[in-house]
This record gives sequence, structure tokens and C-alpha cells, in this order.
Amino acid sequence: GNSVTQMEGPVTLSEEAFLTINCTYTATGYPSLFWYVQYPGEGLQLLLKATKADDKGSNKGFEATYRKETTSFHLEKGSVQVSDSAVYFCALTVGYSTLTFGKGTMLLVSP
Amino acid sequence: EAQVTQNPRYLITVTGKKLTVTCSQNMNHEYMSWYRQDPGLGLRQIYYSMNVEVTDKGDVPEGYKVSRKEKRNFPLILESPSPNQTSLYFCASSPDQNYGYTFGSGTRLTVV
Repeated sequence: GNSVTQMEGPVTLSEEAFLTINCTYTATGYPSLFWYVQYPGEGLQLLLKATKADDKGSNKGFEATYRKETTSFHLEKGSVQVSDSAVYFCALTVGYSTLTFGKGTMLLVSP
Repeated sequence: EAQVTQNPRYLITVTGKKLTVTCSQNMNHEYMSWYRQDPGLGLRQIYYSMNVEVTDKGDVPEGYKVSRKEKRNFPLILESPSPNQTSLYFCASSPDQNYGYTFGSGTRLTVV
């Protein structure tokens, strides 16, 4: 079956620090990969995606590269802000299957 | 504005009293899904639909029903709610599986 594994949180950083949230996956076939973000009290929002190997998704200063050889899709940002505090979910789809999510990683950024 | 609208946002009900959570999207999306979010368990899919009159079970379908009589609506029905269905529920839609889903704001359900 398909599964997504994320690093457990919370991840606690100071403003302007570098962020990495690890995500690895197992999938039957060739998945499309996604990062979603959930701000407190809100629904999930699509942050970025990549649909084939070596693609880099990027949005709002966040980046993630689809690494087929390591089955990974790590989320990075060069300089986090307090407003980036949220829960981040890695997810995948394969063929006609719907989204499979990781359990989420909470990010807390302090001033 | 393109969106997925769920109602109600909050609901407290009693065990066994049938309820429906509505979900509507205005983007003409083919795919729609329901998820529940629980602490420590993340998001788990309940049901999904690939088109009108086409629905299928997700990971945790027991105790839930859905219908897709028209493209824009995908209601979630709890025929006889139980306390273990207390959760945060999200509806989502997408034009296709590789595009990414748009989520509603969520429905927080408490069954006492």
C-alpha cells in the first residue's frame, strides 16, 4: 500500500532560521507529491506539489524536490517567519487513488 | 470565489440522532473526498467520489454514508452517530488526482 512518513514535531525555531521537515514515502507506482499547510482553526491549504521525479515545487519561499532514488520530498525554507507557524502535511496520490497523508508536523516559530 | 463550503462549522449532537454534514464546491471539480482529523492519527479518508453517482470507501468508512447526486454536492451522513465519531471533518475537491485538493474549513462534531 501507499504510506507517508514525516518527522515528528513540534519543530521549534527562531525567526529567520532555516527549516527542514523530512518526508519519505512508499508507493505502488509513480506518485504525485504534495505539501499542505494547516493554520490554527483552519482547513488545509495546498502549499506546493511535484508530479514527477526531480521536479521542484515552490511557493511562498518554501521548496521541496521529488527525489525518487531516496523516496523523499523534504520541505525547506531558508528563513522562517512567525507567520509560518502551522502544521505541515506531506501527502501523495498514485494513479486513481486519493490523497494519503502523513501525520503532520507542527512548526512553532518564535520572534 | 472558488471554494469548498461545509456546514455546519460546529455541531454537538446526541448518540443515535441522525445528522448530515453538507459539502458544496463551486469549481466544477470531478473528485470530492471526506476526511476526519484526530490527534495523533492525522487525516484519514472516509469516502471519496470520482464523479456523479460514483463513490468508494476510504480507510475508515464504517458508520458513514455519502451520496453524489450532483457534481457540486457531496454530503456526509451519520445514520446513528456514536461518541467515537467525535472528530474534525474536512471535505475536499479536486479537478484530478495530480492537481491538488481544495479543502473546506472543517466541521467540528461532538457526539455525546
